[in-house]
Amino acid sequence: QKEVEQDPGPLSVPEGAIVSLNCTYSNSAFQYFMWYRQYSRKGPELLMYTYSSGNKEDGRFTAQVDKSSKYISLFIRDSQPSDSATYLCAMSVGSSASKIIFGSGTRLSIRP
Amino acid sequence: SQTIHQWPATLVQPVGSPLSLECTVEGTSNPNLYWYRQAAGRGLQLLFYSVGIGQISSEVPQNLSASRPQDRQFILSSKKLLLSDSGFYLCAWSVALAGVGEQFFGPGTRLTVL
Repeated sequence: QKEVEQDPGPLSVPEGAIVSLNCTYSNSAFQYFMWYRQYSRKGPELLMYTYSSGNKEDGRFTAQVDKSSKYISLFIRDSQPSDSATYLCAMSVGSSASKIIFGSGTRLSIRP
Repeated sequence: SQTIHQWPATLVQPVGSPLSLECTVEGTSNPNLYWYRQAAGRGLQLLFYSVGIGQISSEVPQNLSASRPQDRQFILSSKKLLLSDSGFYLCAWSVALAGVGEQFFGPGTRLTVL
């Protein structure tokens, strides 16, 4: 079993829809949870990070962590064609030499 | 602000040739540095990480090596490339001792071995 599982998609939704991206994990020691966005042929860019359980909102993006279920989500409201990218979840235990475990990424396409 | 550079952006090399990819970070001191490989349609595979000059940890046995000759310079090398070394190579940095684990990525090098 992989430490982090993420549905690779592709996921295609119309512009303006609410998008839900999800990951599950098996290591209960994970404390830091991140979402990266990667455009084609570019390096991933950090979109959001959260510590422990709960929600965090940033503009149209909301990150949600449920540690009891070992499940994290990223919601995108009012989705735009510019949101079309691959979204990778990532998580770490958190230490001075932190290694991050990445999901395989979900490819998202927003149709105009 | 911090900036991370990688070069070259793309590279086509024959099997058996050597490789040297360079990564430099600006605007921070004593960062943790990382090399990842991303195969098409797959996630990020951590290859090496470094917490200081000359300190390299290898995650996966392979045909590659890494070196950190200066605080903000990280080099990925191979003496003889294999076909299976093709992929998208990403360098990343994080703040040492921060305990948060956020990593920031460079633009990547797309390597094709023929």
